[in-house]
Amino acid sequence: EDQVTQSPEALRLQEGESSSLNCSYTVSGLRGLFWYRQDPGKGPEFLFTLYSAGEEKEKERLKATLTKKESFLHITAPKPEDSATYLCAVQGAGGYQKVTFGTGTKLQVIP
Amino acid sequence: DAGVIQSPRHEVTEMGQEVTLRCKPISGHNSLFWYRQTMMRGLELLIYFNNNVPIDDSGMPEDRFSAKMPNASFSTLKIQPSEPRDSAVYFCASSLGGSNYEQYFGPGTRLTVT
Repeated sequence: EDQVTQSPEALRLQEGESSSLNCSYTVSGLRGLFWYRQDPGKGPEFLFTLYSAGEEKEKERLKATLTKKESFLHITAPKPEDSATYLCAVQGAGGYQKVTFGTGTKLQVIP
Repeated sequence: DAGVIQSPRHEVTEMGQEVTLRCKPISGHNSLFWYRQTMMRGLELLIYFNNNVPIDDSGMPEDRFSAKMPNASFSTLKIQPSEPRDSAVYFCASSLGGSNYEQYFGPGTRLTVT
Protein backbone atom coordinates (compact mmCIF):
# COMPACT_ATOMS: atom_id res chain seq x y z
CA GLU A 1 0.00 0.00 0.00
CA ASP A 2 1.28 3.44 -0.95
CA GLN A 3 2.12 5.75 1.95
CA VAL A 4 2.89 9.46 2.24
CA THR A 5 4.21 11.21 5.35
CA GLN A 6 4.59 14.97 5.50
CA SER A 7 6.59 17.01 7.97
CA PRO A 8 6.35 19.22 9.82
CA GLU A 9 2.60 19.26 10.49
CA ALA A 10 2.75 23.02 10.94
CA LEU A 11 5.35 25.65 10.17
CA ARG A 12 5.43 29.28 11.14
CA LEU A 13 7.81 31.57 9.24
CA GLN A 14 8.61 35.22 9.25
CA GLU A 15 8.14 36.94 5.91
CA GLY A 16 11.34 36.43 3.92
CA GLU A 17 12.49 33.44 5.99
CA SER A 18 13.15 30.57 3.56
CA SER A 19 12.43 26.96 4.53
CA SER A 20 11.50 23.52 3.20
CA LEU A 21 8.60 21.13 3.60
CA ASN A 22 9.24 17.41 3.47
CA CYS A 23 7.26 14.59 1.89
CA SER A 24 8.46 11.03 2.46
CA TYR A 25 6.83 8.30 0.45
CA THR A 26 6.75 4.58 -0.16
CA VAL A 27 5.19 3.43 -3.38
CA SER A 28 5.35 0.51 -5.72
CA GLY A 29 6.54 1.99 -8.98
CA LEU A 30 6.22 5.77 -8.84
CA ARG A 31 4.18 7.20 -11.68
CA GLY A 32 4.05 10.70 -10.28
CA LEU A 33 4.45 12.81 -7.14
CA PHE A 34 2.17 15.81 -6.82
CA TRP A 35 2.14 18.97 -4.74
CA TYR A 36 -1.07 20.83 -4.02
CA ARG A 37 -1.89 24.00 -2.15
CA GLN A 38 -5.11 24.24 -0.14
CA ASP A 39 -6.52 27.48 1.23
CA PRO A 40 -9.13 27.40 4.02
CA GLY A 41 -12.60 26.59 2.72
CA LYS A 42 -11.34 25.67 -0.75
CA GLY A 43 -10.37 22.58 -2.67
CA PRO A 44 -6.74 21.63 -3.23
CA GLU A 45 -5.09 23.53 -6.08
CA PHE A 46 -2.58 21.68 -8.26
CA LEU A 47 1.00 23.01 -8.17
CA PHE A 48 3.50 20.49 -9.56
CA THR A 49 4.01 16.98 -10.86
CA LEU A 50 7.41 15.26 -10.52
CA TYR A 51 8.04 11.98 -12.29
CA SER A 52 11.58 10.83 -11.56
CA ALA A 53 14.41 11.29 -9.06
CA GLY A 54 16.46 14.39 -9.75
CA GLU A 55 13.62 16.29 -11.31
CA GLU A 56 12.88 19.86 -10.17
CA LYS A 57 9.99 22.22 -10.88
CA GLU A 58 9.66 25.91 -9.99
CA LYS A 59 6.81 28.36 -9.70
CA GLU A 60 7.40 31.83 -8.31
CA ARG A 61 8.82 31.34 -4.78
CA LEU A 62 8.24 27.57 -4.77
CA LYS A 63 10.59 24.86 -5.96
CA ALA A 64 9.83 21.15 -5.72
CA THR A 65 12.51 18.49 -5.83
CA LEU A 66 12.37 14.68 -5.87
CA THR A 67 14.56 11.81 -4.72
CA LYS A 68 13.78 8.10 -4.64
CA LYS A 69 12.36 8.36 -1.13
CA GLU A 70 11.24 11.92 -0.59
CA SER A 71 10.30 15.24 -2.06
CA PHE A 72 10.93 18.73 -0.79
CA LEU A 73 8.98 21.88 -1.38
CA HIS A 74 11.38 24.78 -0.93
CA ILE A 75 9.88 28.18 -0.22
CA THR A 76 12.20 31.09 -0.89
CA ALA A 77 11.54 34.46 0.78
CA PRO A 78 7.90 33.62 1.54
CA LYS A 79 5.17 36.22 1.69
CA PRO A 80 2.00 36.17 3.81
CA GLU A 81 -0.01 35.14 0.75
CA ASP A 82 1.95 31.86 0.69
CA SER A 83 0.16 30.87 3.90
CA ALA A 84 -1.81 27.69 3.18
CA THR A 85 -1.76 23.95 3.71
CA TYR A 86 0.54 22.15 1.27
CA LEU A 87 -0.39 18.59 0.35
CA CYS A 88 1.83 15.95 -1.18
CA ALA A 89 0.44 12.95 -3.06
CA VAL A 90 1.79 9.97 -4.96
CA GLN A 91 0.52 7.71 -7.66
CA GLY A 92 1.98 4.24 -7.85
CA ALA A 93 1.88 1.61 -10.53
CA GLY A 94 -0.63 -0.48 -8.62
CA GLY A 95 -3.84 1.54 -8.74
CA TYR A 96 -5.10 2.96 -11.99
CA GLN A 97 -5.33 6.73 -11.52
CA LYS A 98 -5.45 6.25 -7.73
CA VAL A 99 -3.56 8.92 -5.77
CA THR A 100 -2.61 8.72 -2.09
CA PHE A 101 -2.41 12.01 -0.18
CA GLY A 102 -0.40 12.99 2.87
CA THR A 103 -2.02 14.92 5.70
CA GLY A 104 -0.31 18.17 4.74
CA THR A 105 1.87 20.89 6.22
CA LYS A 106 0.08 24.00 7.40
CA LEU A 107 2.28 26.99 6.62
CA GLN A 108 1.80 30.37 8.22
CA VAL A 109 3.91 33.32 7.04
CA ILE A 110 3.89 36.26 9.41
CA PRO A 111 4.44 39.81 8.11
CA ASP B 1 -13.54 26.56 -18.29
CA ALA B 2 -15.53 26.85 -15.06
CA GLY B 3 -13.58 24.13 -13.32
CA VAL B 4 -15.14 21.35 -11.30
CA ILE B 5 -18.56 22.34 -10.00
CA GLN B 6 -20.07 20.93 -6.82
CA SER B 7 -23.43 21.43 -5.19
CA PRO B 8 -24.58 22.17 -2.65
CA ARG B 9 -21.68 24.03 -1.02
CA HIS B 10 -23.11 23.46 2.44
CA GLU B 11 -25.55 20.85 3.65
CA VAL B 12 -26.97 20.49 7.15
CA THR B 13 -29.19 17.51 7.78
CA GLU B 14 -30.48 15.37 10.59
CA MET B 15 -29.28 11.88 11.33
CA GLY B 16 -31.14 9.30 9.28
CA GLN B 17 -31.86 11.58 6.34
CA GLU B 18 -30.69 10.93 2.81
CA VAL B 19 -28.00 13.25 1.45
CA THR B 20 -27.07 13.66 -2.22
CA LEU B 21 -23.97 15.51 -3.30
CA ARG B 22 -23.49 16.52 -6.93
CA CYS B 23 -20.49 17.07 -9.16
CA LYS B 24 -19.89 18.31 -12.69
CA PRO B 25 -16.33 17.54 -13.85
CA ILE B 26 -14.26 19.62 -16.22
CA SER B 27 -15.39 19.07 -19.79
CA GLY B 28 -13.18 16.56 -21.57
CA HIS B 29 -11.88 14.94 -18.39
CA ASN B 30 -12.33 11.17 -18.37
CA SER B 31 -11.65 10.39 -14.71
CA LEU B 32 -13.66 11.53 -11.70
CA PHE B 33 -12.85 11.12 -8.02
CA TRP B 34 -14.80 11.55 -4.79
CA TYR B 35 -12.83 12.39 -1.62
CA ARG B 36 -13.70 13.03 2.00
CA GLN B 37 -11.60 15.36 4.15
CA THR B 38 -11.59 15.52 7.94
CA MET B 39 -9.14 16.95 10.44
CA MET B 40 -8.43 13.51 11.84
CA ARG B 41 -7.97 11.51 8.64
CA GLY B 42 -7.04 14.10 6.04
CA LEU B 43 -8.06 13.54 2.42
CA GLU B 44 -9.43 10.07 1.74
CA LEU B 45 -10.33 8.67 -1.65
CA LEU B 46 -13.82 7.17 -1.61
CA ILE B 47 -14.35 6.09 -5.21
CA TYR B 48 -13.20 6.93 -8.69
CA PHE B 49 -14.60 6.51 -12.18
CA ASN B 50 -12.97 6.23 -15.56
CA ASN B 51 -15.15 6.88 -18.61
CA ASN B 52 -18.20 6.79 -16.31
CA VAL B 53 -17.36 3.31 -15.00
CA PRO B 54 -16.52 2.82 -11.30
CA ILE B 55 -12.95 1.50 -11.10
CA ASP B 56 -12.24 1.34 -7.38
CA ASP B 57 -14.78 1.80 -4.60
CA SER B 58 -12.67 0.27 -1.84
CA GLY B 59 -12.61 3.59 0.00
CA MET B 60 -16.37 3.77 0.41
CA PRO B 61 -16.77 3.36 4.16
CA GLU B 62 -20.07 1.50 4.30
CA ASP B 63 -23.02 0.35 2.25
CA ARG B 64 -24.73 3.57 3.27
CA PHE B 65 -22.53 5.30 0.70
CA SER B 66 -23.16 4.97 -3.02
CA ALA B 67 -21.96 6.84 -6.10
CA LYS B 68 -23.11 7.02 -9.69
CA MET B 69 -21.91 8.59 -12.87
CA PRO B 70 -24.74 8.37 -15.42
CA ASN B 71 -22.86 10.42 -18.02
CA ALA B 72 -19.56 12.20 -18.59
CA SER B 73 -20.75 15.48 -17.13
CA PHE B 74 -22.46 14.45 -13.91
CA SER B 75 -21.86 12.36 -10.82
CA THR B 76 -23.60 11.93 -7.48
CA LEU B 77 -22.52 10.70 -4.07
CA LYS B 78 -25.38 9.55 -1.89
CA ILE B 79 -25.44 8.78 1.83
CA GLN B 80 -28.50 6.94 3.11
CA PRO B 81 -29.07 7.01 6.03
CA SER B 82 -26.69 9.73 7.17
CA GLU B 83 -24.95 9.65 10.55
CA PRO B 84 -23.13 12.35 12.57
CA ARG B 85 -19.77 10.70 11.83
CA ASP B 86 -20.32 11.41 8.14
CA SER B 87 -19.81 15.11 8.84
CA ALA B 88 -16.88 16.22 6.70
CA VAL B 89 -15.99 18.13 3.56
CA TYR B 90 -16.57 16.11 0.41
CA PHE B 91 -14.55 16.95 -2.67
CA CYS B 92 -14.98 15.95 -6.25
CA ALA B 93 -11.98 16.03 -8.58
CA SER B 94 -11.43 15.24 -12.24
CA SER B 95 -8.48 14.51 -14.48
CA LEU B 96 -7.87 13.97 -18.16
CA GLY B 97 -7.04 10.33 -17.53
CA GLY B 98 -4.75 8.14 -19.56
CA SER B 99 -1.17 9.11 -18.69
CA ASN B 100 -2.23 12.49 -17.27
CA TYR B 101 -2.71 12.06 -13.54
CA GLU B 102 -3.12 15.67 -12.41
CA GLN B 103 -6.36 16.09 -10.56
CA TYR B 104 -8.38 19.30 -10.38
CA PHE B 105 -10.62 19.74 -7.38
CA GLY B 106 -13.97 21.38 -6.89
CA PRO B 107 -14.72 23.73 -4.00
CA GLY B 108 -16.19 20.96 -1.87
CA THR B 109 -19.44 20.35 -0.02
CA ARG B 110 -19.35 20.86 3.74
CA LEU B 111 -21.73 18.29 5.24
CA THR B 112 -22.97 18.54 8.80
CA VAL B 113 -25.15 15.75 10.17
CA THR B 114 -26.79 16.54 13.51
